[in-house]
Amino acid sequence: GQQLNQSPQSMFIQEGEDVSMNCTSSSIFNTWLWYKQDPGEGPVLLIALYKAGELTSNGRLTAQFGITRKDSFLNISASIPSDVGIYFCAGQTWSSSNTGKLIFGQGTTLQVKP
Amino acid sequence: DVKVTQSSRYLVKRTGEKVFLECVQDMDHENMFWYRQDPGLGLRLIYFSYDVKMKEKGDIPEGYSVSREKKERFSLILESASTNQTSMYLCASGTGGGGDEKLFFGSGTQLSVL
Repeated sequence: GQQLNQSPQSMFIQEGEDVSMNCTSSSIFNTWLWYKQDPGEGPVLLIALYKAGELTSNGRLTAQFGITRKDSFLNISASIPSDVGIYFCAGQTWSSSNTGKLIFGQGTTLQVKP
Repeated sequence: DVKVTQSSRYLVKRTGEKVFLECVQDMDHENMFWYRQDPGLGLRLIYFSYDVKMKEKGDIPEGYSVSREKKERFSLILESASTNQTSMYLCASGTGGGGDEKLFFGSGTQLSVL
């Protein structure tokens, strides 16, 4: 089946630094989503992308839908301690048989040192 | 706000026991999903449902079954729990289709099978 490769697997950074993570796929997606999971909680949607080349921001977070439709990127600027958590990418294709099914990446665990 | 409630945060069961994980959502969503989360593997889809009494297998359905008797409730059943089913289980609901699925997750149930 479809698989997503998310990297890096983990990051340990200093407060104030910028962060970049990405997801790649062997097949095309029509939608890319980025979720964040705080410790002890379920994932929460951060950003949704619907068009190749689309660049969308949510506060200090910026995500891009790759031109090839096989990848996506998430950047966090000026990290703060509450950015700690696991970040997941997820992709979806448009077809009746796949309606509602998201394919998730392995997650990037972010730790921020104050 | 959408609320997805999972009945237990932590559960400890013995090998061979029948285990029920319950999930309730309060936003009248058609779609409901069960994922398991394991370190380094991300979220993997077990089962999902687009309507009452309807179910479809996800990517890793072996050893699991589900029940959806009411729209708001989706139960995951481990017929005979095994140690390799020790994991974090996440329930999610959503209304999307045609490539616009945005999932809302519960806080998860950490299941330990001894």
